[in-house]
Parts: sequence; structure tokens; C-alpha cells
Amino acid sequence: SAVISQKPSRDICQRGTSLTIQCQVDSQVTMMFWYRQQPGQSLTLIATANQGSEATYESGFVIDKFPISRPNLTFSTLTVSNMSPEDSSIYLCSVAGNTGELFFGEGSRLTVL
Amino acid sequence: GENVEQHPSTLSVQEGDSAVIKCTYSDSASNYFPWYKQELGKRPQLIIDIRSNVGEKKDQRIAVTLNKTAKHFSLHITETQPEDSAVYFCAASRGGSYIPTFGRGTSLIVHP
Repeated sequence: SAVISQKPSRDICQRGTSLTIQCQVDSQVTMMFWYRQQPGQSLTLIATANQGSEATYESGFVIDKFPISRPNLTFSTLTVSNMSPEDSSIYLCSVAGNTGELFFGEGSRLTVL
Repeated sequence: GENVEQHPSTLSVQEGDSAVIKCTYSDSASNYFPWYKQELGKRPQLIIDIRSNVGEKKDQRIAVTLNKTAKHFSLHITETQPEDSAVYFCAASRGGSYIPTFGRGTSLIVHP
């Protein structure tokens, strides 16, 4: 299993500002994933963060809006840029275990006013 | 790409009843089917998974069945308890480094 720490756990942000979410894993992993979970909705993959290369973004998500850093094998950040109320969501960091299951961080609940 | 449909979106049962959640998938190459439980305000956590080489798997009150021909799989919870109340997500993937595609989730409410 993997222990994932995410911060902040929650924040209230003003429209037009940016917020960076941090994700720390207790073991080295090749891929880290960032998900968005809008209220009452499913888990939508934003991007896959690989150490040493640019993140791979899913359809509908772009680097300018959600820049990602992956400086080493245990850490990643997701920035939500130029926020609007539509960005109010829970953002989850995740890693895959050896048998394919996903382990999630506690999530970062963002409210944009 | 993979498409996973999940039903029902909401399921309300009395304590002690059984609950069944059904999912279908589109990619015949998918071979790994996990189920996640997300309690209110908590992270999703794996509760059971099944691979395509078996048709059924049980873990105490929870079981999952898989029909590869029909491309559907189901979660069965017997003797439900209030602590089973949560949102349940099914997912499908090709395994390995393939990232799972999630269903839309089922909100299970168990009334005491």
C-alpha cells in the first residue's frame, strides 16, 4: 500500500487567483495521477505526472490551466490557475499499487468565490 | 477509449437487505475491475477487485461477479449495515500501467 499526504485539505479562494496543491507519497512511484471530483460526481482524471517529463493531460484539461510539477519520485504539485467558481471541486492525488489498485490522498476541497 | 456505465445512481435499502450495483464496460480488452468505496468526506478506497480470469470473488459480505461475454460486472453486498452507506465506484482497465476508467458512482443509503 501507499500513504499519500495532500495539502491543503481545503481552501477558499478568490476568483482569478491560483492555488497549488501538494502531494507527498511515502514510497517512490513512477506515475502519479491527479483527479478532479466535482460535487456529487465521479472521479475525472486530469493528468498523469511522470518524473522527468511533462505531464500527460486528458481531453478537456490543459497545462496552462492545470500546471503540474514532478520534481522527484515521491512528490508532485498541481496548480489550479486563474480560478473561477466552476473550479470548485475536490482535487485528489493518486498512485497505483503493484497489482493495479489506486491509492488516493485525502483530497483538497477548493471553494472559489 | 473505455466507457463504464454504472447503475443505479442512488440505492436505498433497509438494514439487513442486500444491495446490488451493476456496471457495464465497452473495451473488450479490459481485464481488471476494481470497486471503490468513498465515505462522506473521505478518500476513495478499494474494497474488492476482480480480474478477467475469474467469474466471481467474495470477501465476507461483499462479492463481485463478472460476465466477460456480456461485458458487465456487479457488486453484491449482503446483510447491509448503516456503515455500508457510501458512494461506490466501479472501474475498468486493461491492467498494468493502464489507468482505470470510473463509473459515475452509486450512492448507497442503508436505513437502520
